[in-house]
Amino acid sequence: NAGVTQTPKFRILKIGQSMTLQCAQDMNHNYMYWYRQDPGMGLKLIYYSVGAGITDKGEVPNGYNVSRSTTEDFPLRLELAAPSQTSVYFCASSPRGAGGNTIYFGEGSWLTVV
Amino acid sequence: QKEVEQNSGPLSVPEGAIASLNCTYSDRGSQSFFWYRQYSGKSPELIMFIYSNGDKEDGRFTAQLNKASQYVSLLIRDSQPSDSATYLCAVNAPYNTDKLIFGTGTRLQVFP
Repeated sequence: NAGVTQTPKFRILKIGQSMTLQCAQDMNHNYMYWYRQDPGMGLKLIYYSVGAGITDKGEVPNGYNVSRSTTEDFPLRLELAAPSQTSVYFCASSPRGAGGNTIYFGEGSWLTVV
Repeated sequence: QKEVEQNSGPLSVPEGAIASLNCTYSDRGSQSFFWYRQYSGKSPELIMFIYSNGDKEDGRFTAQLNKASQYVSLLIRDSQPSDSATYLCAVNAPYNTDKLIFGTGTRLQVFP
């Protein structure tokens, strides 16, 4: 009963390094999302996908890239990490659009850029 | 004006009382409204959703929607210490059900 699985759970990056946050779901959901949550703040949408091969920008896409080659996987790439990218990252999925459906969140990935 | 606004709190209520959490949204194109609960260090979990004007009840929780005033609220009856968490209001992006816009959340503290 895995649901949405994110890896790694914790990571420390140095400024300028790159990394990929992995996200996989086993519910055959078409929609997948990446959010970031800064301390004491709500969730901001980074990128989302409505199906394999289709991605679109959210509210805060700068400094990130995504791809969706399969229904199950939706990795988030950070290029040239900056301290402003220190945050908690949540991947989520839903069977249909999040605005009309329950979305299921992963457990989060805590990223610190130093 | 923020798209979704919530008072950050903390809102402190005694055990057994009614907690009232409020949220306003800026665009009438938003038609779906959600309340998520987030415990510290955990991911958000859906409590309730509401689409139509009026009240919707689920156990101790009641969501209220007033589209004319662009206002949605969550009432928690018989509050318990285990209800202490941050409550996030979310609405669909205007005329777009693909995306949700979240408020910054209200921290609720229920004391014994």
